Amino acid sequence: DAGVTQSPTHLIKTRGQQVTLRCSPKSGHDTVSWYQQALGQGPQFIFQYYEEEERQRGNFPDRFSGHQFPNYSSELNVNALLLGDSALYLCASSLASTGGWSNQPQHFGDGTRLSIL
Amino acid sequence: AQSVTQPDIHITVSEGASLELRCNYSYGATPYLFWYVQSPGQGLQLLLKYFSGDTLVQGIKGFEAEFKRSQSSFNLRKPSVHWSDAAEYFCAVVPSGSARQLTFGSGTQLTVLP
Repeated sequence: DAGVTQSPTHLIKTRGQQVTLRCSPKSGHDTVSWYQQALGQGPQFIFQYYEEEERQRGNFPDRFSGHQFPNYSSELNVNALLLGDSALYLCASSLASTGGWSNQPQHFGDGTRLSIL
Repeated sequence: AQSVTQPDIHITVSEGASLELRCNYSYGATPYLFWYVQSPGQGLQLLLKYFSGDTLVQGIKGFEAEFKRSQSSFNLRKPSVHWSDAAEYFCAVVPSGSARQLTFGSGTQLTVLP
């Protein structure tokens, strides 16, 4: 049973560039959340996707956008990269109950380490 | 404001000693509570969760946590630490009935001495 998989594992970009990170949820899961974890800090919620729609968003600028595909996989896009965007980006999946709410625990991938030069 | 506090940034214990990691939350109602562990360069692994019911919950790897409503705490414990337990531990909460985003504490780094 495959868990949450993320690609790529590492990425180096320069300021002003754009980046796309990918996530495949755990088998049977339909909800994907993205988190940013800066060095030495806890993960910060970016947004969550369910039924191909953004259902909730954290305190992140519009430079951060996402998408969920019919097979539940998801992408995180970041435009106009800043040095402060350097972080570990974590994807988490879960199974939603009726209406998209879920009390099921989220399962995390190993993350994508993004470095901005 | 809603928040999660892990007051200990770094804890060092000897192998075989007992462990307690503290977590306090500030929410209007009892949230759902979680403990995750993160090894270097890896994602987060769920250790245990509390939704309701028995306030002492058992998790994987011999960990347990106790929910204390009066203290707004959800402390993680292990009676005998193994060297492989060295990692960073995160407490996380989700508002009950609206389980979407996890709010994490800042983490506690655990070092285990031989």
